[in-house]
Amino acid sequence: GDSVTQMEGPVTLSEEAFLTINCTYTATGYPSLFWYVQYPGEGLQLLLKATKADDKGSNKGFEATYRKETTSFHLEKGSVQVSDSAVYFCALPGTYKYIFGTGTRLKVLA
Amino acid sequence: KAGVTQTPRYLIKTRGQQVTLSCSPISGHRSVSWYQQTPGQGLQFLFEYFSETQRNKGNFPGRFSGRQFSNSRSEMNVSTLELGDSALYLCASSPGLAGGAQFFGPGTRLTVL
Repeated sequence: GDSVTQMEGPVTLSEEAFLTINCTYTATGYPSLFWYVQYPGEGLQLLLKATKADDKGSNKGFEATYRKETTSFHLEKGSVQVSDSAVYFCALPGTYKYIFGTGTRLKVLA
Repeated sequence: KAGVTQTPRYLIKTRGQQVTLSCSPISGHRSVSWYQQTPGQGLQFLFEYFSETQRNKGNFPGRFSGRQFSNSRSEMNVSTLELGDSALYLCASSPGLAGGAQFFGPGTRLTVL
């Protein structure tokens, strides 16, 4: 069945460090892929998406490329800020329900 | 457009009681999904409604139920509350069933004592 696997957290980085959060998926066909972010005390917000292979989604300095060959959708940011501290979820619309990864908590230290 | 709204934001109940949570989707969105989020289990799918019909249901006991009204607003009900039902309940809406993005509300924090 459809699934999403993302790296375990927490990830702790210093401000301006480079961020990578790994996400791999298993899916029937080639669904759209998403990254969501959840700030403390809030619901999830759509961060970026890619709708087909080789598409690059980007938003707020974050990027992720839909890699069909490696079934991956890794999230990257060149220089993180304290305000990026949150939980990040990789997701895809599965056959019967939306599939979310377990979430990766990011903590950025000043 | 206004975002997804959920009421109430916080709720405290005791074991054995029942609770109803409400969700108003983004205007024009016809699909509403509910999720339970806990530190131990993460984000778990409860059910999805589209045009007043339950489309899919997650692996939860029958104490968890929901419905959708003709204006797409949705409610979920939990009867005979247990301590383990303490969680953040999230509602998400989307325009349809085409596999696009979901838009989440802020959630209802339910505490069962």
